[in-house]
Amino acid sequence: GAVVSQHPSWVICKSGTSVKIECRSLDFQATTMFWYRQFPKQSLMLMATSNEGSKATYEQGVEKDKFLINHASLTLSTLTVTSAHPEDSSFYICSQPREGRETQYFGPGTRLLVL
Amino acid sequence: RKEVEQDPGPFNVPEGATVAFNCTYSNSASQSFFWYRQDCRKEPKLLMSVYSSGNEDGRFTAQLNRASQYISLLIRDSKLSDSATYLCVVSVYNTDKLIFGTGTRLQVFP
Repeated sequence: GAVVSQHPSWVICKSGTSVKIECRSLDFQATTMFWYRQFPKQSLMLMATSNEGSKATYEQGVEKDKFLINHASLTLSTLTVTSAHPEDSSFYICSQPREGRETQYFGPGTRLLVL
Repeated sequence: RKEVEQDPGPFNVPEGATVAFNCTYSNSASQSFFWYRQDCRKEPKLLMSVYSSGNEDGRFTAQLNRASQYISLLIRDSKLSDSATYLCVVSVYNTDKLIFGTGTRLQVFP
């Protein structure tokens, strides 16, 4: 069964609004979660590492004030796209590390379309 | 130069064919290697890890050549259900981070 869930699965919003995406760990606690973005026909690009109880670590080129990450509990991380614009339209996927195998469980993703 | 490079394809093959995908990575310190499968508009799912000794899982065989920084995936007896994008993935040394290739698209036709 699913290990990581995401909500919503898709969202359409107007330019300038903020959108919150939730990522939940279903089977076990996750002190670390990752947020990725994937544009059409491109690879998944890591945006940030979400750390429970502390600040997220952002990858180079990702604006931390635009993509707000909150990891307040061991089972929930949220990504808020603030003042979304059409260029933010993308597939956003979260993941959590997979114990002992150096890889990750991925959520089902959230498709964002900003009009 | 991209950290993980793959031929984007598409590879169009008939059912039953054998198809091979290649991938190169730039960071010699990379420790772990994987092939993921991604269906259209879905999240990536782990297909198999890749080990230096080579490993096989049913119709799928993965190989790693650390000296050449080269990874391969061989699919034998292709099925229609194998149609997907295959992502070459490399871990970042001493972290939990993963670097993804852009993927190779496979289309198996009847």
